[in-house]
Amino acid sequence: DARVTQTPRHKVTEMGQEVTMRCQPILGHNTVFWYRQTMMQGLELLAYFRNRAPLDDSGMPKDRFSAEMPDATLATLKIQPSEPRDSAVYFCASGLVKGVDYGYTFGSGTRLTVV
Amino acid sequence: AQSVSQHNHHVILSEAASLELGCNYSYGGTVNLFWYVQYPGQHLQLLLKYFSGDPLVKGIKGFEAEFIKSKFSFNLRKPSVQWSDTAEYFCAVNAQNYGQNFVFGPGTRLSVLP
Repeated sequence: DARVTQTPRHKVTEMGQEVTMRCQPILGHNTVFWYRQTMMQGLELLAYFRNRAPLDDSGMPKDRFSAEMPDATLATLKIQPSEPRDSAVYFCASGLVKGVDYGYTFGSGTRLTVV
Repeated sequence: AQSVSQHNHHVILSEAASLELGCNYSYGGTVNLFWYVQYPGQHLQLLLKYFSGDPLVKGIKGFEAEFIKSKFSFNLRKPSVQWSDTAEYFCAVNAQNYGQNFVFGPGTRLSVLP
């Protein structure tokens, strides 16, 4: 089965450090999402891309977060500087949007702990 | 703005009991509806989705959901749960006029007792 691969699976970092999370979408998928999951907020959309172009990043704190797709096989989410409140599980999802039908596959997530 | 509510925060059932998890959304236009499951420590998996047609949708692992447009609901059901169904269940809505992003409900934790 095709998978969305996220690395690293776990990351512990000190406050103020830069964190980079990576996502390899399923080959051929044209849409990539970044979500954050916390107990308090549940699942929140941070950003999403279509054909590598950012379509919506309104859910992302712009002063410290940035999301990019340098090529079709890699999406990155960076936090600089990181803060304890950024501790969460970050999910990437990819999908092929074709007409009105689509479905998404989620990666296993990156569990980030900022101390 | 779209919003999704799930009626129960935590549901506890015994094996073989029937399950119904409620999901309501607030958007009057055309919507696509989804249920995702997240097993402990794992990623989200799609259980089923509704785009159009028959409002009773069958998914994987014996789950089904019924779209009732007049009630803005998309409840998830399973006639007989198993211990392995213990997980968190998320309802998600995509309103077609809002692009391709989702709004997720807060999730319902299901605990099935053996």
